[in-house]
Amino acid sequence: EVQVLESGGGLVQPGGSLRLSCAASGFTFHNYGMTWVRQAPGKGLEWVSAISASAENTHYADSVEGRFTISRDNSKNTLFLQMNSLRAEDTAVYYCAKLSYYSGRRDAFDLWGQGTMVSVSS
Amino acid sequence: DIQLTQSPSFLSASVGDRVTITCRASQGISGYLAWYQQKPGKAPNLLIYVASTLQSGVPSRFSGSGSGTEFTLTISSLQPEDFATYYCQQLNSFPLTFGGGTKVEIK
Repeated sequence: EVQVLESGGGLVQPGGSLRLSCAASGFTFHNYGMTWVRQAPGKGLEWVSAISASAENTHYADSVEGRFTISRDNSKNTLFLQMNSLRAEDTAVYYCAKLSYYSGRRDAFDLWGQGTMVSVSS
Repeated sequence: DIQLTQSPSFLSASVGDRVTITCRASQGISGYLAWYQQKPGKAPNLLIYVASTLQSGVPSRFSGSGSGTEFTLTISSLQPEDFATYYCQQLNSFPLTFGGGTKVEIK
């Protein structure tokens, strides 16, 4: 089955760290860029970070630049998001998603996980 | 950064209605716009990419159009399962951005 499955969420204190994982299956992981998107409770979608297929290129939203690090292990078909210096405003469901290239360049997020909840609170 | 403004933010409609949602970009995005549907407690689901191409498996009552900075998502005849929140997204340049969402509710 083609899927991505997030894990690693939980409750953490402000200033703390958390590492999210996203296990991919059913597709050739090392051929696709991957991304993280988050959604705060009752709010809209916010793109967080993206990484190219070979991990050569990474991109971040301004709101997480310098605090979050995206990485991947293509030998284990796994995507990661290391989150440091967490703040209350980072509280959200975090989704990983696969980038599609139907048009020949990145054009959508065509496969999403079910999400993992991160709560930052004292 | 490219800002996406969706309108309306809330829409009340009946089954069978034709519904149109607009997404305006703060600058040109070369047609790299996607639309997603999200139901409560679920992950978003891709409907349309590159402004007008229907994702495999998505019903043909959904369509997308537009170019430059103005784009639309149309549902030709609203079905009960279409009541959800819809988001546009630009993939032309980083940071990738989403519109604020349009919640479609039953009248």
